[in-house]
Amino acid sequence: ETGVTQSPTHLIKTRGQQVTLRCSSQSGHNTVSWYQQALGQGPQFIFQYYREEENGRGNFPPRFSGLQFPNYSSELNVNALELDDSALYLCASQPGQSNTEAFFGQGTRLTVV
Amino acid sequence: DQQVKQNSPSLSVQEGRISILNCDYTNSMFDYFLWYKKYPAEGPTFLISISSIKDKNEDGRFTVFLNKSAKHLSLHIVPSQPGDSAVYFCAASANNNNDMRFGAGTRLTVKP
Repeated sequence: ETGVTQSPTHLIKTRGQQVTLRCSSQSGHNTVSWYQQALGQGPQFIFQYYREEENGRGNFPPRFSGLQFPNYSSELNVNALELDDSALYLCASQPGQSNTEAFFGQGTRLTVV
Repeated sequence: DQQVKQNSPSLSVQEGRISILNCDYTNSMFDYFLWYKKYPAEGPTFLISISSIKDKNEDGRFTVFLNKSAKHLSLHIVPSQPGDSAVYFCAASANNNNDMRFGAGTRLTVKP
């Protein structure tokens, strides 16, 4: 068990709605990254937060946004949901900015109908 | 643009034998490589990593080999155990930055 927890574990949303996913990082870790894993593919980097500031972003549209809080927990917000947003969303925490091993949560399975 | 490729979606080996999982990459800027293991309903778990200054890193039954000229790395598991059955992801990053690129994964099945 990594100590990274995500909530909820599953949810179903309707196209056009908004969703917020949450992540509690491992104790002592100040860096959180979010990934989207579509079925049959590897995780794709969405963005990373380091000490409450965005610290890099992958090829995702602006309707994917995030926050990191002073306790280093994080949120991923997706607006105007599309069917293709259906995926497993993974949160990973790291002890610093450098990309050593990242500790992943179990993920949130989002289904958009 | 898939910069990290795992061309074998699945691999089946007998318990006790060697498992070899392969990964190819296209971006010559990648300098840090990681392997993750994923069980169903769990997040990926870090397994082993290698920096581009090395060509081999070993941790118990797991060894990662890096061939920079061929832009290829492999994960060797010996001896394989049924508990090793999982999906294995190869990942790479450039200049130790935050953007890890993952392959699509290889499902390893170790038969008793």
